Amino acid sequence: EVQLQESGPGLVKPSQSLSLTCSVTGYSITSNYWGWIRKFPGNKMEWMGYISYSGSTSYNPSLKSRISITRDTSKNQFFLQLNSVTTEDTATYYCARGAANFDYWGQGVMVTVSS
Amino acid sequence: DIQMTQSPASLSASLGETVTIQCRASEDIYSGLAWYQQKPGKSPQLLIYGASSLQDGVPSRFSGSGSGTQYSLKISSMQTEDEGVYFCQQGLKYPNTFGAGTKLELK
Repeated sequence: EVQLQESGPGLVKPSQSLSLTCSVTGYSITSNYWGWIRKFPGNKMEWMGYISYSGSTSYNPSLKSRISITRDTSKNQFFLQLNSVTTEDTATYYCARGAANFDYWGQGVMVTVSS
Repeated sequence: DIQMTQSPASLSASLGETVTIQCRASEDIYSGLAWYQQKPGKSPQLLIYGASSLQDGVPSRFSGSGSGTQYSLKISSMQTEDEGVYFCQQGLKYPNTFGAGTKLELK
């Protein structure tokens, strides 16, 4: 069974970087696409970007200057880094499998940006 | 970016009632549409992809239809476990974009 699990700090200070890990079991990240999606308070959902089976990436232009998605294939993990966060980056962050739609999701991690 | 407009924002339905949720795209998305259900404290679950294909394991009372810019999700007989928030999402063009969600409650 494919399972995804996010991990990372739940509190980040403004101007710092947000770093999250998605650990995948039951499926190799060298196949398919692996992305990050966030849900803001009030239900708005935003696709942030993906890393592909080959290691190529695609990012939401709204985040392009601040986001980086990388991976460690030996650990079957991929990572999100979001730089220069503000309070507007407070959200629940999900990792998910897919490119055009998302069939497996992690349970989500709530990240609050606050001093 | 393609804008996704969902309606209604919320609705309540009785057990056994048919429920329909609408989603309109700001341009033709050629059936590149998915529907998700999210329950409180849980991650979204994919229900429908390609506008009308039922994801494995999803009850057959869920169905999707539409083309061009207009799409809908139908629940043929409302059940208690169908309460939650439903999102549409277009995957035709990057960035993928989501509707604002429809909260479905049991009446």
